[in-house]
Parts: sequence; structure tokens; C-alpha cells
Amino acid sequence: GQSLEQPSEVTAVEGAIVQINCTYQTSGFYGLSWYQQHDGGAPTFLSYNALDGLEETGRFSSFLSRSDSYGYLLLQELQMKDSASYFCAVMGYGQNFVFGPGTRLSVLP
Amino acid sequence: DTAVSQTPKYLVTQMGNDKSIKCEQNLGHDTMYWYKQDSKKFLKIMFSYNNKELIINETVPNRFSPKSPDKAHLNLHINSLELGDSAVYFCASSQESGQTYEQYFGPGTRLTVT
Repeated sequence: GQSLEQPSEVTAVEGAIVQINCTYQTSGFYGLSWYQQHDGGAPTFLSYNALDGLEETGRFSSFLSRSDSYGYLLLQELQMKDSASYFCAVMGYGQNFVFGPGTRLSVLP
Repeated sequence: DTAVSQTPKYLVTQMGNDKSIKCEQNLGHDTMYWYKQDSKKFLKIMFSYNNKELIINETVPNRFSPKSPDKAHLNLHINSLELGDSAVYFCASSQESGQTYEQYFGPGTRLTVT
């Protein structure tokens, strides 16, 4: 089976940098994804790591370490619009996506 | 153009009824999914379909049945609705041949069972 853990809540101020961690237990997977979901909205794809290391996409970066069963999402230059829930997800074999419980990010002025 | 669409957006019904949620994607993707998101925002995969074949069926009651008339549609039928079925249901699609396994989600259907 697969299970993921994330902090339930994170708070930061505008302009700051925040890191949302994700630890997982899985028997095998293709990669680690990150999704953003605003209240009342649908999850939207942010980033994907198939290999260990850092992937950068604009203000967002994602990191994966398979040896540590750990990944994180880094958000820089925080904006109010970044207030949302963030989910890590692993894609296991056989198109089996498993999502983490989500981290609610609150960005304060 | 909407990539993944679902209807209806809201669905209120009584226990014991049977209902359906429709999903369509115009992205040409070969895999479609149904997810359930509960009140605590846990997002759990229910089904996935690849080329009309069911790939996953995660501990979902057999009251739930996916129907895929073609590659672009994956509908969800629910029989004998129960209070615990109240949730937001998301349809999603992805392209297996891609390297990112990015999933595109529909807007969701909020199901309320009374």
C-alpha cells in the first residue's frame, strides 16, 4: 500500500518563502506530484518529480529524495492568491494515484 | 474550451435514490478517473479507465459503477444512495504516454444526500 503525510496547516506572510513537506511510504511509484486546490475549486497540477532533485517552475519548486522517502514543495515570493490547500500525490504502478491529506496554506498580509 | 467538464455541478437527493454524474474530456487523453473528496478534503481515487478498461477499483462499494461509452466520457452511476455518499466528486483525465502524469480535473460535483 501507499500512504503520505503532510502538515495540516502552514501560515506565512506575503513575500516570504514557505516549504510544505511530504513524507511517504510506498512499495514503488513512478513519481511525486503536487496539486493546488482553492476553496470551492478543483485540484490543479503544479509540479512533478520523477527523479531525485529539484524541479523549478516559476515561483514554485518541488524536490524529491527517494532514499529518504521525502519530498517538498517550495513556494517563493508568496502572494495572497497562494492561500489554498496543497496536496502531494504519488503515482503508483497501474495508474494508481494516492493523494496526501493536504496542507492548508494561509498567506497573511 | 473546457478541458474536463462535469454535470451536474450540484446534486441534492434523498437516501435510496439512484443518480448519475457525467464527465467529458476534450483533451484526447486515454485515461479518465473518478475521485471522491470528503468533508475533510481527503481526495481518494475511486476508478480509472484506460481505453474502456477498468484499471483500478479501490474498495468502492458496488453501488458505484463507472460507465465509459467512449474514450472521452466516463460517467458515474450510484445506486441506493446513502448519507455517507455526500461528498464532492471529481472527474479527471491524463495522458499515459506523458512524462509528468499530469491530471486535469473537472470542476467537481457536490453531492448531498438527505
